[in-house]
This record gives sequence, C-alpha cells and structure tokens, in this order.
Amino acid sequence: GQQLNQSPQSMFIQEGEDVSMNCTSSSIFNTWLWYKQDPGEGPVLLIALYKAGELTSNGRLTAQFGITRKDSFLNISASIPSDVGIYFCAGQEETSGSRLTFGEGTQLTVNP
Amino acid sequence: ETGVTQTPRHLVMGMTNKKSLKCEQHLGHNAMYWYKQSAKKPLELMFVYSLEERVENNSVPSRFSPECPNSSHLFLHLHTLQPEDSALYLCASSQLRSSLDTQYFGPGTRLTVL
Repeated sequence: GQQLNQSPQSMFIQEGEDVSMNCTSSSIFNTWLWYKQDPGEGPVLLIALYKAGELTSNGRLTAQFGITRKDSFLNISASIPSDVGIYFCAGQEETSGSRLTFGEGTQLTVNP
Repeated sequence: ETGVTQTPRHLVMGMTNKKSLKCEQHLGHNAMYWYKQSAKKPLELMFVYSLEERVENNSVPSRFSPECPNSSHLFLHLHTLQPEDSALYLCASSQLRSSLDTQYFGPGTRLTVL
C-alpha cells in the first residue's frame, strides 16, 4: 500500500536549535497528523491538519499541510531535552476511508 | 492523558499460552483500531472496528482474534503465537466523521513471545 517518505530518519542536535522534518507522498491526502512517541509509550498526537495550506502551531511546534496535499512538515523551535523521541507523520489518503498511513519516524536526539 | 488505556502494559507468554490484550477508550469515539509496532518498521494496522463491526482485517494470522463488545472496549485474543509476534501492540480510537479521522493511541502492550 501507500507509504509515506519521512525524513530525516534521525537527527542529533544541540539544545536550543530549531528542527525541521517532513513527509511526502505520491498520492493526495485529506489529513496530516504529527505524533510523538516516547520509549515504551504510545504515540501522542501533537498537531492535526485538515486543509491544504493550513499552518498550525502548538507551543514551540509548527506544522503545515502542503498546498499540493502531498506533503507536510513539522518544525520545532528552540529545542529542549524533553523533545527527545520519535516523531511520526501520518496521513489519510483521499480514498482510504478510515485508514491512516504512517511514516517510518524521525528519531530526535537533543544534547544538553 | 488517559483517554485510551491498555492492559497489561507488559506481557511475556509462551507459544502455547492463550492471553488477551484489553483496550478501553473514554473519549466517546465510534471507531477502534489495533496496530502492531515492530522495531524499525512503520506502524502496521491489524484491525479496524467501526460502530462495533469489524471493517478491516489486514491479512492478520488467525492466531490473533479481535473482539469489540461495545464502542468503548476492544480486545485482542492471542493463541499459539510465534516469537516473531513479539512487538508493541497499540490500540487507538477515533470519531469517524465525513472523511476525517484523527486517531488517539493508548500506551501499548509490550508483548514478548518466548
């Protein structure tokens, strides 16, 4: 089935730096979601996007639904150690009904 | 956040055991999901229940048997599993409306099959 290309696979940054990650698809999506997963826990929803071009913030996090409806990015500003974790994008294809497609995740490490 | 709870959090079982995973959602949602998460692989959707009816079953082996007795509870019955079934099993729920679907996850059950 459809797979999302999420990049980068991993990032190692210093505390205070900004972070950017993105997901791309070959098909059109109706919904883009960004989740964060801590070790041993389930993914926690960070931001949900429902309209092309939509730009939404949640504290230091900002995500955008690409105009082409085939991509999305997540930015984290002024990173802190607790931002460490795996960030997943997920999207709902136009024709997929209830199914969400997930990216493979971006492992973020923040050095104090 | 305790919107979706899962028990047990950890489970170790032999290949001949029978066990069940439980999920409960307190969000008033009408759809529930089981996912399998293995190391270095994307989340794999196993089952989808909408209004307590199974609407999707993604070629999951019959040793996994889901049950959804009502809109708040979801079970995954396990029988004669294999070591490669060891993974984090995640439950999620959502309120299906029109074409939008935002899923909320539980903390998962870490399953180890010996």
